[in-house]
Amino acid sequence: KAGVTQTPRYLIKTRGQQVTLSCSPISGHRSVSWYQQTPGQGLQFLFEYFSETQRNKGNFPGRFSGRQFSNSRSEMNVSTLELGDSALYLCASSLVLAGLQETQYFGPGTRLLVL
Amino acid sequence: GENVEQHPSTLSVQEGDSAVIKCTYSDSASNYFPWYKQELGKGPQLIIDIRSNVGEKKDQRIAVTLNKTAKHFSLHITETQPEDSAVYFCAASPSREVNSGGSNYKLTFGKGTLLTVNP
Repeated sequence: KAGVTQTPRYLIKTRGQQVTLSCSPISGHRSVSWYQQTPGQGLQFLFEYFSETQRNKGNFPGRFSGRQFSNSRSEMNVSTLELGDSALYLCASSLVLAGLQETQYFGPGTRLLVL
Repeated sequence: GENVEQHPSTLSVQEGDSAVIKCTYSDSASNYFPWYKQELGKGPQLIIDIRSNVGEKKDQRIAVTLNKTAKHFSLHITETQPEDSAVYFCAASPSREVNSGGSNYKLTFGKGTLLTVNP
């Protein structure tokens, strides 16, 4: 079974631009979560989607948004990029098991550099 | 919200020695505790996890223990090898709540431990 895939793997943008990152979950997984990883803050939760609805959101400004499609693929968008948005953006997928603990599987990430 | 503390931040051991990484959590609603290994340039990879109804779990050279009363859990790696060198993260999450539409569900991570195994 193929793992979580993320595209692109690397991106260079300038301040003020916007960016869209894509994530394809493991086949059969309905939940997609996004995390930002930086050396200073570590791994921080951005948001989670399943059934095309945002279910939970972390403490990030409204410039960070996302969506999920009917095939469970997800995109996240960052508008008006700032230097501090430079990070590794990770996507994780899981089965949705209400009332049970879910295992999240991560993709390789998209490395975003904002100049 | 949940807060996960992880110690130590760096750990250096000789090949063949054991390594122990410890984490504490704050939210009693957390009942799932995975450990991830992240190598340079890659995403985190699940290496072992434990659920709240289990006190210990072992998989070959890796073991995890959980003390729910004290709210702490630990990763133990025995007979370390150079390829064990990586950053290790602990995490905690609750079960997804049906009534809230699953809005409680997320992983909260520790800050990570850089493990170096010296040949």
